[in-house]
Amino acid sequence: AQSVTQLDSQVPVFEEAPVELRCNYSSSVSVYLFWYVQYPNQGLQLLLKYLSGSTLVKGINGFEAEFNKSQTSFHLRKPSVHISDTAEYFCAVIRDDKIIFGKGTRLHILP
Amino acid sequence: NAGVTQTPKFQVLKTGQSMTLQCAQDMNHEYMSWYRQDPGMGLRLIHYSVGAGITDQGEVPNGYNVSRSTTEDFPLRLLSAAPSQTSVYFCASSATRSYGYTFGSGTRLTVV
Repeated sequence: AQSVTQLDSQVPVFEEAPVELRCNYSSSVSVYLFWYVQYPNQGLQLLLKYLSGSTLVKGINGFEAEFNKSQTSFHLRKPSVHISDTAEYFCAVIRDDKIIFGKGTRLHILP
Repeated sequence: NAGVTQTPKFQVLKTGQSMTLQCAQDMNHEYMSWYRQDPGMGLRLIHYSVGAGITDQGEVPNGYNVSRSTTEDFPLRLLSAAPSQTSVYFCASSATRSYGYTFGSGTRLTVV
C-alpha cells in the first residue's frame, strides 16, 4: 500500500488567497511526518515536521500543517500565498529507517 | 558552508558506460540516502545507509551500487548506464531518522 498519497498533482491559487495542499498517509507507517518544498532547479528544503505533541505544526515561510490521526492526514496550509511560493511541495513519512515521499503537488500562483 | 555536496552537477553518458555520482556531507550525519526524481513520479529511494559500513536497498536499486566506508561520503555507482537512468539524482543526509533530511542540489544525468 502507498505509504503517503498527495491528492492533487497541481493546485492553482490566486495571489494572497489561502491554500491547502492535501496529504494522507498509511496507518501502517510511523507518525513521523514531513513537508518539503522544492523551488525550480533546486534541491528539497524542509518546511516543517510532526513527531509528537501539538497537532498543529508551524513551519518556515508562514506555512503550517495539522496532524489528524483519525483521518490519517497531514494537510499543509498557508493563509495568504505569494508569488514566491511557486514551487513543488512534497509530503513524506518515515517507514522503517527510510523517508518515503509522495509524488508532489505543484503550486501555481495566479496573478 | 555546511551541507550536502553533490558532484558533478550535470553529466552526459553513453549507454553502457559506468560512472560514480559523488555525495559528501560535513554535518556528521549517520543517515544518508540517494533518490532519483522523474516527472510525475516524485522522489524514489534508490539506496540508503544508517551509518558507515551499513547500506540497504530502496524502491529502485537495480543498476546502482553504493558503499559507505566513511560517515562523510556516500557515492552512487551506475554499473552500465541505460537511457532509463536519465534522471535528476539527489543525495540527502540526516542526523537521525526523524531529524529531517538535508538535500544536495542534485545531479542531472542524461544517458544517450
